[in-house]
Amino acid sequence: QSALTQPASVSGSPGQSITISCTGTSSDVGGYNYVSWYQQHPGKAPKLMIYDVSNRPSGVSNRFSGSKSGNTASLTISGLQAEDEADYYCSSYTSSSAVVFGGGTKLTVL
Amino acid sequence: QVQLVQSGAEVKKPGSSVKVSCKASGGTFSSYAISWVRQAPGQGLEWMGRIIPILGIANYAQKFQGRVTITADKSTSTAYMELSSLRSEDTAVYYCARDVGKYSGYDLDYYYYYMDVWGKGTTVTVSS
Repeated sequence: QSALTQPASVSGSPGQSITISCTGTSSDVGGYNYVSWYQQHPGKAPKLMIYDVSNRPSGVSNRFSGSKSGNTASLTISGLQAEDEADYYCSSYTSSSAVVFGGGTKLTVL
Repeated sequence: QVQLVQSGAEVKKPGSSVKVSCKASGGTFSSYAISWVRQAPGQGLEWMGRIIPILGIANYAQKFQGRVTITADKSTSTAYMELSSLRSEDTAVYYCARDVGKYSGYDLDYYYYYMDVWGKGTTVTVSS
């Protein structure tokens, strides 16, 4: 299974909005509404931020939102804050009971 | 509130095996799957496989088939990941995570939804 495609890096200033894309195929992102997003700070375990394309777990800020169109899912962070600086990974179900992750995107808050 | 506590760091020689444990507390261990995800230094997340304790079924990523074995001991609420024939490229942090999804007995497929609880990670270093 090939990794989902994410931009290596994105950046934005405090208060701005940014969007991270995650492109797969009809066998993963495009075929199912099982896309999730994870935030990872250096030296820490990943944290679930979005599940089932657009749902937020309890406790996650509503500044984080998710969407999907065709084979591409997106994570949008609005009102960017310094604490949002981290690596972000998308993930999806894929065929034969497998899981595929994106390559990760480093978010820099300028 | 489910918590996952992993075993400590390991240093292994090339060609040997490593077994990492992941003990769950809170919740009902058998009611969810446990996945293993690794992260090499400076690299992204890589799914290795999962165990569904209540069914005794394990799924593995193609890349690790034949080299990884994932098991679970329901009596101690502990999942294990054993990786054999270690090489330097296996140096990584290994995470266990609660894998939320649904198993379909119709097509014998597990539909992964998300991973919502993660262990802190276990560093495995492979070096001669």
